[in-house]
Amino acid sequence: GAGVSQSPSNKVTEKGKDVELRCDPISGHTALYWYRQSLGQGLEFLIYFQGNSAPDKSGLPSDRFSAERTGGSVSTLTIQRTQQEDSAVYLCASSSGILTGTGELFFGEGSRLTVL
Amino acid sequence: DAKTTQPNSMESNEEEPVHLPCNHSTISGTDYIHWYRQLPSQGPEYVIHGLTSNVNNRMASLAIAEDRKSSTLILHRATLRDAAVYYCILSASGTYKYIFGTGTRLKVLA
Repeated sequence: GAGVSQSPSNKVTEKGKDVELRCDPISGHTALYWYRQSLGQGLEFLIYFQGNSAPDKSGLPSDRFSAERTGGSVSTLTIQRTQQEDSAVYLCASSSGILTGTGELFFGEGSRLTVL
Repeated sequence: DAKTTQPNSMESNEEEPVHLPCNHSTISGTDYIHWYRQLPSQGPEYVIHGLTSNVNNRMASLAIAEDRKSSTLILHRATLRDAAVYYCILSASGTYKYIFGTGTRLKVLA
C-alpha cells in the first residue's frame, strides 16, 4: 500500500545497546513526525521534520535520542545506550499542508521497542 | 499550547449513538479542532476536524459550541469496531505541533 511504513515492527534489545527505527512516509509528504507511546499512555511528541527546514527536536527526552531524515523522505530514529524506560511504541506520521492547521496526519503502525 | 480535557473512559451499547465530549476553554480564534482515534495495536487515524461550524463526514459528526470552548464528537451508531481511544486535539494555522493527550477510551458493549 501507499501508507506510512515503519520497521522493525518489534524490537527486543538489551540495556545499553543502540537501536535504529525506520520510517518511510507517504510519497510527497513534506512533514514527518516521531511520537512515543508508553504502555497505556497518550502520544508524546519527539521530533518534527518539514521539508529542508531545521527539525524541531524539542520533544527528544535526552541526548541519547537523535533522528535524521535523508533526502526529505525516509527517517531514522536512533536511540543510543538504551534504557528500560525507553520501552514503548514509537510511532511515525507524515502529512502535507500541515501548516494550514488542517493537515491530516497519517500514522504508521509503530515500532514496539522492548529493552530488557 | 492550548489544552484539551476529555473523560478517561466511556461506554456505549452497540447500535446506539455516542457523544464524546472535549473541553478546550483556552482555544484561540485560529485553532482548529481535530479528532483522531486509535484502534488497539494500531497508530492513530484521522476522524474529523472543524473550526467554527459543525462538520459531518462518513465516520462521524463534529458539533462545536458557539463559544468554541467545547466540542462533541458524535458517532451515530456505535459498532464494536468503534472501540478505540479517541483524541481531541487543537492546532493553529501556521503551527505543526499536534499535542495528543490521553484521550477517551470508548468501550462498545454488544
